[in-house]
Amino acid sequence: GAVVSQHPSRVICKSGTSVKIECRSLDFQATTMFWYRQFPKKSLMLMATSNEGSKATYEQGVEKDKFLINHASLTLSTLTVTSAHPEDSSFYICSARDTRVVDTQYFGPGTRLTVL
Amino acid sequence: RKEVEQDPGPFNVPEGATVAFNCTYSNSASQSFFWYRQDCRKEPKLLMSVYSSGNEDGRFTAQLNRASQYISLLIRDSKLSDSATYLCVVNNRGSTLGRLYFGRGTQLTVWP
Repeated sequence: GAVVSQHPSRVICKSGTSVKIECRSLDFQATTMFWYRQFPKKSLMLMATSNEGSKATYEQGVEKDKFLINHASLTLSTLTVTSAHPEDSSFYICSARDTRVVDTQYFGPGTRLTVL
Repeated sequence: RKEVEQDPGPFNVPEGATVAFNCTYSNSASQSFFWYRQDCRKEPKLLMSVYSSGNEDGRFTAQLNRASQYISLLIRDSKLSDSATYLCVVNNRGSTLGRLYFGRGTQLTVWP
């Protein structure tokens, strides 16, 4: 199956700092990637849709100035959590849309963010 | 109303049991249907796509009933390794850029 990588897998940072998370599709081109957040024992929550070459589309309630998304190439999208606070601590997962056969998505392994 | 509703679970079954999960979706225009599996503290992984004719992959059988907007997953001869959360997922072709809608997941624990 398709492979999506995510880096870093785990990050601990101080409150007020910014953290960048990378999402890469390794064996296919993805014009669309998605960023999710998941709190313990809860379902995935879509934060934003990342579109290659254009602005991201954010879900209601997600601050675009706090969660900066850049999709500069067909294989890379980045999410930057700016001025992180403890309540931003969560599991962040990206997915890349694969339209080669059946329109579906493959997920990266996730990034566990802890803000102290 | 949520886009995708799933059995709340949890399901606790012995090894070798057969277990079925159900799911309903609200948008009749939905085009693609999937079951994903998510292990604790891991990302979701595609288990199988679901087709109108139904499909089978080893011990796993998925069914789709478009008239009732109902999706099911049947697991036969459960293994300990089947313990996970199973996510019912729907893709509405009319939605923005292939967005997926997730059910909240059904937790399965298979015990020896």
